[in-house]
Amino acid sequence: RKEVEQDPGPFNVPEGATVAFNCTYSNSASQSFFWYRQDCRKEPKLLMSVYSSGNEDGRFTAQLNRASQYISLLIRDSKLSDSATYLCVVNHNAGKSTFGDGTTLTVKP
Amino acid sequence: GAVVSQHPSRVICKSGTSVKIECRSLDFQATTMFWYRQFPKKSLMLMATSNEGSKATYEQGVEKDKFLINHASLTLSTLTVTSAHPEDSSFYICSAEREGAEAFFGQGTRLTVV
Repeated sequence: RKEVEQDPGPFNVPEGATVAFNCTYSNSASQSFFWYRQDCRKEPKLLMSVYSSGNEDGRFTAQLNRASQYISLLIRDSKLSDSATYLCVVNHNAGKSTFGDGTTLTVKP
Repeated sequence: GAVVSQHPSRVICKSGTSVKIECRSLDFQATTMFWYRQFPKKSLMLMATSNEGSKATYEQGVEKDKFLINHASLTLSTLTVTSAHPEDSSFYICSAEREGAEAFFGQGTRLTVV
């Protein structure tokens, strides 16, 4: 079993749609959690950190359920510019990150 | 602005030659940096952990003699791909964590071995 598993995707949605990505992790000692965005041939960039209390940044909402070892990302009112690969990242050993395989999102006009 | 700078961003080399990739933390000291490799349509795979002043820690299956890592200062780690072959062609990315913050990634290096 992979340490971090994500929805395989791809997700193809129309502009304005709401889309949700899921991620599970196997190491219960994991300490911090993130969603990164990666555009083609570019480095990953931090989208948002994920907290147990849930956090929201504009159209993006991230949730963490430690008991279920589950992380989610919700994107509302999708824009064309949201098209990218979204990576679930788990950190259980300071600085050493484990990445999910990523979920590709394509937002179409 | 970028807090981790990686250079070069793109390199093409001939089989059998060696290529050095640099990773610099620009405004903080990083005792530990990480090197990842990404194949097309795959996620980033950790290759090794670079420790300032000591030997790097390699992940299982990564050849330490082929991927030489040097972390000579608190702001610079280098990855040298020795005797490169076409199968080494990939996207290599470094990262460093600023204490108490998330990891910052370099811009990545696309290596093509011909």
